[in-house]
Amino acid sequence: GIQVEQSPPDLILQEGANSTLRCNFSDSVNNLQWFHQNPWGQLINLFYIPSGTKQNGRLSATTVATERYSLLYISSSQTTDSGVYFCAVDTGRRALTFGSGTRLQVQP
Amino acid sequence: EAQVTQNPRYLITVTGKKLTVTCSQNMNHEYMSWYRQDPGLGLRQIYYSMNVEVTDKGDVPEGYKVSRKEKRNFPLILESPSPNQTSLYFCASSLSPATSGGNEQFFGPGTRLTVL
Repeated sequence: GIQVEQSPPDLILQEGANSTLRCNFSDSVNNLQWFHQNPWGQLINLFYIPSGTKQNGRLSATTVATERYSLLYISSSQTTDSGVYFCAVDTGRRALTFGSGTRLQVQP
Repeated sequence: EAQVTQNPRYLITVTGKKLTVTCSQNMNHEYMSWYRQDPGLGLRQIYYSMNVEVTDKGDVPEGYKVSRKEKRNFPLILESPSPNQTSLYFCASSLSPATSGGNEQFFGPGTRLTVL
């Protein structure tokens, strides 16, 4: 099956810093989503981005499908950005395949 | 507000006591599924449903049952829960099945289940 690799696995930032999270996938995908799992365990949809670039406030994402990677940018990080960020892909099967996540800790 | 809801959010039970976790969506989505999340194993699909009365096994279906009698509801049933089913469970839905080109999936808030 498809492999989804996220990097870095862990990231510690000071409040106000910027960061880039990466997601590599091993095969063609129909779509790609980014999620934020908050400390209470909820999965929050960030982006549905099979290709191209999208922005939502301080967050933006870019997917280059032909090169099989996606990037999530977080600017001016806040403590509420802490949690785990997941990339998940849909290959036309019946389920999303999730990466192992990037654990982000933003310190005040 | 468009959403996927799950109940209960937290549940502690004992081995062998049947339980049901409900899932409901108000977006008229055809596709619904259940995932479990475990440390070191990530999110794995349990069951999915392409539409009313159409369900099929995911990657880890053992010990679970589902039904899809109405489009909006997709309950997860544990007939005889065991401690290895202690996990965080998510229900998800999307407009159409993933196999038909992909659509954004929306997740419920999660149900944290502990089986003693």
